[in-house]
Amino acid sequence: NAGVTQTPKFQVLKTGQSMTLQCAQDMNHNSMYWYRQDPGMGLRLIYYSASEGTTDKGEVPNGYNVSRLNKREFSLRLESAAPSQTSVYFCASSILSGGEGASYNEQFFGPGTRLTVL
Amino acid sequence: AQSVTQPDIHITVSEGASLELRCNYSYGATPYLFWYVQSPGQGLQLLLKYFSGDTLVQGIKGFEAEFKRSQSSFNLRKPSVHWSDAAEYFCAVATTSGTYKYIFGTGTRLKVLA
Repeated sequence: NAGVTQTPKFQVLKTGQSMTLQCAQDMNHNSMYWYRQDPGMGLRLIYYSASEGTTDKGEVPNGYNVSRLNKREFSLRLESAAPSQTSVYFCASSILSGGEGASYNEQFFGPGTRLTVL
Repeated sequence: AQSVTQPDIHITVSEGASLELRCNYSYGATPYLFWYVQSPGQGLQLLLKYFSGDTLVQGIKGFEAEFKRSQSSFNLRKPSVHWSDAAEYFCAVATTSGTYKYIFGTGTRLKVLA
């Protein structure tokens, strides 16, 4: 059981190049997320997919696109990379959990992709 | 709008000393609250969570947190810090409206002196 995996671990791009970050989970979770982490700003949600076949914008979606390929996989694409997209990117997946009358959304995180755009 | 505030960007404690990391949230309904820890170069690991019931929750690695509704706080505590606790700690609130989103604080970086 690998949990949430991300590829690549590191990437350097030139301004204007494109790339796709891959994420996969083997926990049979319905929901998946992409975050970016920048110093002093915590984690900010880029896009999420509440269930297979649906995607929605988060807090900072500009410059990104996503694809929920199947229940396991959720990819993030940068069509034309910019230096402002230099960041660490985390993928997460979640189940709904909770007791009677309650449900909450516990998220499990991948190890991250460190992206530098020159 | 929902928000999470971690007022301390950096905290330094001596090994063996007690620790308290502060977290305040703004959310209209009963919040679901989480603390995560991130070691250098690693992803986030869940320390503990609160969604109902006892307001004092126990987590992994000897951490605990107390939910105080009147103060809109969910502070993380540990009675005796170990050098391996040096990391960055994030508080998060989960929305309960069905949109499945977390809102993270900006993090507190903990340094432990030997």
